[in-house]
Amino acid sequence: DVKVTQSSRYLVKRTGEKVFLECVQDMDHENMFWYRQDPGLGLRLIYFSYDVKMKEKGDIPEGYSVSREKKERFSLILESASTNQTSMYLCASSLHSRLSGNTIYFGEGSWLTVV
Amino acid sequence: AQKVTQAQTEISVVEKEDVTLDCVYETRDTTYYLFWYKQPPSGELVFLIRRNSFDEQNEISGRYSWNFQKSTSSFNFTITASQVVDSAVYFCALSEANNAGNMLTFGGGTRLMVKP
Repeated sequence: DVKVTQSSRYLVKRTGEKVFLECVQDMDHENMFWYRQDPGLGLRLIYFSYDVKMKEKGDIPEGYSVSREKKERFSLILESASTNQTSMYLCASSLHSRLSGNTIYFGEGSWLTVV
Repeated sequence: AQKVTQAQTEISVVEKEDVTLDCVYETRDTTYYLFWYKQPPSGELVFLIRRNSFDEQNEISGRYSWNFQKSTSSFNFTITASQVVDSAVYFCALSEANNAGNMLTFGGGTRLMVKP
């Protein structure tokens, strides 16, 4: 079975803190993603990466950065956390191909509260 | 640009009732993929089904069935004889062809509550 593991399920951080959300997958997938989930808005893509050290902006990258130093690990970074970044964050991974359609597998999510 | 709409934000049924979750999508591509995911209270999104745009056959998996109609751009999901364990948020999603990033566009989700 595909396993996508997010290091923290629940975090509480203060405004202005630097926050790291870590994600690891064990299926040698090339693609990794960070989504944010908010009520009524569904999931929105923050960043994705299709290879080590490669990254692409998603729909809502502002206020976030990412790091992909190893194939299995994809980190989401909030340089200076703000209260409007309080949300559920979901990491995901998939195989890479020229065409879409590969199933994306998700982790359990990280609930971040910024106070 | 692609878009997925799940008009039902919340549905409540009594156990053993059948329930259909609606999904309408928009895309300019002729080749695309549609997905349904289930998100139980634990938070993880569980993959349920993937369907490509060239395969309009309906699919049945146990109590779950999916009705794909390109003519109405819909990909509806029916649960037959619902159970309390079906209570979750269900997401419909779209991935367009030539999207090597496999990025998904999600609908807003439908929260299904099955009462005993």
